[in-house]
Amino acid sequence: AQSVTQPDIHITVSEGASLELRCNYSYGATPYLFWYVQSPGQGLQLLLKYFSGDTLVQGIKGFEAEFKRSQSSFNLRKPSVHWSDAAEYFCAIIIQGAQKLVFGQGTRLTINP
Amino acid sequence: DAGVIQSPRHEVTEMGQEVTLRCKPISGHDYLFWYRQTMMRGLELLIYFNNNVPIDDSGMPEDRFSAKMPNASFSTLKIQPSEPRDSAVYFCASSPSGGAGWTQYFGPGTRLTVL
Repeated sequence: AQSVTQPDIHITVSEGASLELRCNYSYGATPYLFWYVQSPGQGLQLLLKYFSGDTLVQGIKGFEAEFKRSQSSFNLRKPSVHWSDAAEYFCAIIIQGAQKLVFGQGTRLTINP
Repeated sequence: DAGVIQSPRHEVTEMGQEVTLRCKPISGHDYLFWYRQTMMRGLELLIYFNNNVPIDDSGMPEDRFSAKMPNASFSTLKIQPSEPRDSAVYFCASSPSGGAGWTQYFGPGTRLTVL
C-alpha cells in the first residue's frame, strides 16, 4: 500500500538558518506530491505541489521542494527561516486515478530566536 | 475568496450525546472530504463525496459515524452516540475536478471534545 514517511518528528532551527524537511513515499509510480503547513489551532494550508515537469517546485512563503524519483523523496527547503515558520509540516501524496490524500505523520518545526 | 467553512470551531459534549459537524465547501468544487486528526493516528480520511454522492467511506470508524451531502454547498458529519475516543480535530476539505482536481483545500477544523 502507498505510504508517506517523514523521518523527523521534531526539528529545531535558529531563525535565519536554512531548513530541510524530509519526505519519502512508497508507491510504484509517480504520485502527485504535496506539502501542507498547519499553524497551531489552524487548518492545513497548501505550500506547494508537484504533478509533473520541473522537479524543483516553488511554493508560497519562500519554500521550495525537489522531487527525486530515484530516492522516492520530496524534501521541503527554505534558505532562511523566520519565527513565523514555526508550525507542523505535512507531506502528502495522491495516487493517480484516486482522490485520497495519504499524509505523513508530520514534522513539528520550532524556531529558536 | 471564501475558503472552506466549518462550524462549529469548537464543540464540547458529553459521552452519549449526538454531535453534528458542518461544512460548506468552496463554490464550484465537486469533491468534499472529511478527515480526522488525532495525536495517535495523525490525519486520516473518513469519507469523500463527488457531486454529492459518497464515493469512499472505508475510513469511517464505525456505524456511530455518518456523513451526508444534501447539496453541493453543504455537508454534515454526525456522531451518534459520541464517545471520549472520538475527541479529535475534524477537517473538511474540497477540491475541483479536472486538471486542478488533485489539490485539496482545507477548512479551519472543528475541535471536538467528548467528556
